[in-house]
Amino acid sequence: QKEVEQDPGPLSVPEGAIVSLNCTYSNSAFQYFMWYRQYSRKGPELLMYTYSSGNKEDGRFTAQVDKSSKYISLFIRDSQPSDSATYLCAMSANFNKFYFGSGTKLNVKP
Amino acid sequence: SAVISQKPSRDICQRGTSLTIQCQVDSQVTMMFWYRQQPGQSLTLIATANQGSEATYESGFVIDKFPISRPNLTFSTLTVSNMSPEDSSIYLCSVTPNDRVYGYTFGSGTRLTVV
Repeated sequence: QKEVEQDPGPLSVPEGAIVSLNCTYSNSAFQYFMWYRQYSRKGPELLMYTYSSGNKEDGRFTAQVDKSSKYISLFIRDSQPSDSATYLCAMSANFNKFYFGSGTKLNVKP
Repeated sequence: SAVISQKPSRDICQRGTSLTIQCQVDSQVTMMFWYRQQPGQSLTLIATANQGSEATYESGFVIDKFPISRPNLTFSTLTVSNMSPEDSSIYLCSVTPNDRVYGYTFGSGTRLTVV
């Protein structure tokens, strides 16, 4: 079983839609959770960081962590064509090593 | 956050040869990491490179195949040795900036094709 599971998509939505991206994990020791955005032919860039459970909001982006279900989500409100990218979740127990999901490809259509 | 320059951005290499990838950071960082990203798969950590010590390799990766240098706090190289088509992948350099204890900053990656 993989440490982190992420639906690869692709996910295609119309501009303005609310997007929900998700990851599940198996290691209950994970407590640091991140979301990265990766544009084509670029390296991943950090979008959101959450420690332990709860929600965190930053502009149009909201990250949620449900440790009891071992499930994390990233919501994008009012999605834009510029949000089209691959979104990677990442998580760690102790900050020494991070485990990444395989990424979900998102396409926001104008 | 730190800015990473990674070279080359892409290369096509013959099997059996070696390629050295360079990673330059615009600020001093303690830890540098090398990842591999294969199509449809998650990022896989190859090794962690600390200045002044031997790199620490993850399970499945060995120094003879992926030698790493870390001569100072702003620079590292990863060599992919005796390449085979299975080594075709994107290789990414990453750092944890000293002023931000969480998350990684990534370079743009090196897209390697072995023929």
